[in-house]
Amino acid sequence: QQQVKQSPQSLIVQKGGISIINCAYENTAFDYFPWYQQFPGKGPALLIAIRPDVSEKKEGRFTISFNKSAKQFSLHIMDSQPGDSATYFCAAPRDGNKLVFGAGTILRVKS
Amino acid sequence: DGGITQSPKYLFRKEGQNVTLSCEQNLNHDAMYWYRQDPGQGLRLIYYSQIVNDFQKGDIAEGYSVSREKKESFPLTVTSAQKNPTAFYLCASSFGQGLSSEQYFGPGTRLTVT
Repeated sequence: QQQVKQSPQSLIVQKGGISIINCAYENTAFDYFPWYQQFPGKGPALLIAIRPDVSEKKEGRFTISFNKSAKQFSLHIMDSQPGDSATYFCAAPRDGNKLVFGAGTILRVKS
Repeated sequence: DGGITQSPKYLFRKEGQNVTLSCEQNLNHDAMYWYRQDPGQGLRLIYYSQIVNDFQKGDIAEGYSVSREKKESFPLTVTSAQKNPTAFYLCASSFGQGLSSEQYFGPGTRLTVT
């Protein structure tokens, strides 16, 4: 069964710094890797996603880097802000249109 | 205003009682999902449904049941057989099969069983 290993579990970054969260996945025949952002007491919201026909996708301050040969992908948050403090989940596809999620990374941006 | 609604936001039940969590979507999505979220464990799939009147067990289906009588509705029943039901429950939906399986989540229901 597909598993996704996410690291670190928690991360503290100074305001204006770069937050980096990494995920590794196992074999998959499907190519879609989303990241979700979740604030306390809320449902996760799709933040950004990548299909590995590209190695990088940028949306504003958020960038996904994808390394297909290493089966790894990462989320970079540039110029991190206190409002970015949340839990971030990576996910990878598994048999059909289901997703398997990483365990999550709790990000705290200190002002 | 399109989206996924879950009700109630908070739910309290006594041990031994069944409880049903509501999930409704007006996104015209074919597929719907139920997840359970516990601290430090990410999201675990309970049940999913790709079309009306059909659903499949996910990874942790024991003690849960679902129905899919309408495209827009996918209620989850937490039965008394679920050994540790206290958790945050999330409903999601997507357009369906294939690579474009972006899932959109509802706001969640926090269930506390004492």
